[in-house]
Amino acid sequence: AQTVTQSQPEMSVQEAETVTLSCTYDTSESNYYLFWYKQPPSRQMILVIRQEAYKQQNATENRFSVNFQKAAKSFSLKISDSQLGDTAMYFCAFMRGSNYQLIWGAGTKLIIKP
Amino acid sequence: NAGVTQTPKFQVLKTGQSMTLQCAQDMNHEYMSWYRQDPGMGLRLIHYSVGAGITDQGEVPNGYNVSRSTTEDFPLRLLSAAPSQTSVYFCASGGHYEQYFGPGTRLTVT
Repeated sequence: AQTVTQSQPEMSVQEAETVTLSCTYDTSESNYYLFWYKQPPSRQMILVIRQEAYKQQNATENRFSVNFQKAAKSFSLKISDSQLGDTAMYFCAFMRGSNYQLIWGAGTKLIIKP
Repeated sequence: NAGVTQTPKFQVLKTGQSMTLQCAQDMNHEYMSWYRQDPGMGLRLIHYSVGAGITDQGEVPNGYNVSRSTTEDFPLRLLSAAPSQTSVYFCASGGHYEQYFGPGTRLTVT
């Protein structure tokens, strides 16, 4: 069975700093997708970035980028120039290529301080 | 284009009561799913559907029922509410590139 582990329950950084959130996963699949979702206090789940396992290039979306290490089964999220609006819970999630079910980590609470 | 909508946003039930959480999407997605979110845990899959008339169980299906009569709608029924079902419930639809989530329903069972 697939599992997703986020080892940092909570992190706090100053505005404008760079922060990296960790995620590791366990799978025997070769075809899969990885996601980072953001959940602000509004409770809405918002897709931050996704990575297809078959792509070697790390995904980037503006200030957000990932470090995808397939052999190590690691998928960390880097947020550059952090902003107050980045304060949220961040969830790492895994999806097999054969279905659409998401398997979630427990989340990391990120606090950006002014 | 409303995306995924859920009603109600909040609900309080007494133990033993039943209710239906509504979910609808207007993106013509075949795949829809229900998750529950509990403190300190990631979301857990309750039930999912790969198209009208086709549903299946996820990780935590006990106490819940679903049906899918149309592509747009995927209601979740609580048959006899229990305090252990106090949670936030999310409906989602989509594919490999993104799952779109509704705003969630906070359910409290007393």
